[in-house]
Amino acid sequence: AQSVTQLDSQVPVFEEAPVELRCNYSSSVSVYLFWYVQYPNQGLQLLLKYLSGSTLVKSINGFEAEFNKSQTSFHLRKPSVHISDTAEYFCAVSPLYSGAGSYQLTFGKGTKLSVIP
Amino acid sequence: AAGVIQSPRHLIKEKRETATLKCYPIPRHDTVYWYQQGPGQDPQFLISFYEKMQSDKGSIPDRFSAQQFSDYHSELNMSSLELGDSALYFCASSLDKDEAFFGQGTRLTVV
Repeated sequence: AQSVTQLDSQVPVFEEAPVELRCNYSSSVSVYLFWYVQYPNQGLQLLLKYLSGSTLVKSINGFEAEFNKSQTSFHLRKPSVHISDTAEYFCAVSPLYSGAGSYQLTFGKGTKLSVIP
Repeated sequence: AAGVIQSPRHLIKEKRETATLKCYPIPRHDTVYWYQQGPGQDPQFLISFYEKMQSDKGSIPDRFSAQQFSDYHSELNMSSLELGDSALYFCASSLDKDEAFFGQGTRLTVV
């Protein structure tokens, strides 16, 4: 079984300031790692993912996350946030291919990012 | 590009009634997942289907059932609804073990 801990339920930050949203996971098997973003009354959108290879992954809108296996972390960072980044961010894990059609995600509780003008 | 379509977007039901939620996956995707997100909660995995067969089961109540049809669309049937079933229900689809794409969700309110 897997579990995901997002240490901060709410993070307020001023516009153009840097931000880090923390995510730690626990798993008895190797996992894939994801960050999803959810805008109010919207579905979940994949922000970025780590499957293999370089431990630093980047999204097209300036977010990046680094997989740290020894610390079982996958923190999300952005050097300069915008008002439009205000949303809820979910960290999620999935066990490495455990069988056809078995790609279920285990989510953290979410972190609400509020960007202050 | 085509996305995952869920219908209806909103649904209001009374206690003990039945609800059916529908999900139309992205064309050629062979795997469908259902998640339940309660108010202020993280999404919880309910059930998944691969090639029309149930592939995995999570915290889905016995009052709920689901299936995937020959055209790959899926339906989540919920009977004897309870107030606690009020939630956002997401469907996601993927091509086998690739990235899952989520629909906009169906907001179910039980009164």
